[in-house]
Amino acid sequence: GEDVEQSLFLSVREGDSSVINCTYTDSSSTYLYWYKQEPGAGLQLLTYIFSNMDMKQDQRLTVLLNKKDKHLSLRIADTQTGDSAIYFCASTSGNTPLVFGKGTRLSVIA
Amino acid sequence: SQTIHQWPATLVQPVGSPLSLECTVEGTSNPNLYWYRQAAGRGLQLLFYSVGIGQISSEVPQNLSASRPQDRQFILSSKKLLLSDSGFYLCAWSVQGTDTQYFGPGTRLTVL
Repeated sequence: GEDVEQSLFLSVREGDSSVINCTYTDSSSTYLYWYKQEPGAGLQLLTYIFSNMDMKQDQRLTVLLNKKDKHLSLRIADTQTGDSAIYFCASTSGNTPLVFGKGTRLSVIA
Repeated sequence: SQTIHQWPATLVQPVGSPLSLECTVEGTSNPNLYWYRQAAGRGLQLLFYSVGIGQISSEVPQNLSASRPQDRQFILSSKKLLLSDSGFYLCAWSVQGTDTQYFGPGTRLTVL
């Protein structure tokens, strides 16, 4: 079945850019998602990208998709302490529920 | 606008006791509904999903069951809790025919 992989930890300094990476295995994935989870809370949808797009930008967030390499990244510009959270990548091919990675814990150092 | 509620927010139960967690969605009709468990603050495990009243798909055989007695209500149950049932339980919904999921605030379950 589909598998989604992410690195577990990322630490950046406040004001720097953060890049969180994700790889997936299903070449028929149609949508790819990024969710954010703050401590003790549910998952918040940050953004998503359709598989026929290479890039999507939304304020400080930039999503890059390399469909050939099945690689997705989330760049957060000017990272703030409020960005500290777990970030989940997820994919779907439309036939089954979303498949989530294990999450990347982003720590922002002031 | 749509909102999703879960209760209780936190729960401490003894081993062997029953469990009932509730999830309700407002502002939409005939949603897909999902139950996830997150252990130790990491990784989401899909437990059940439902595309309609009385239609439940189980992803992982275990000590839990789910029911959907009403269109926008999803219940997670257990007859006898195990220590391994401890975790953070998340409910989510999506519009029928689409994949984007929206999550509730979660229930923290501790089994002692």
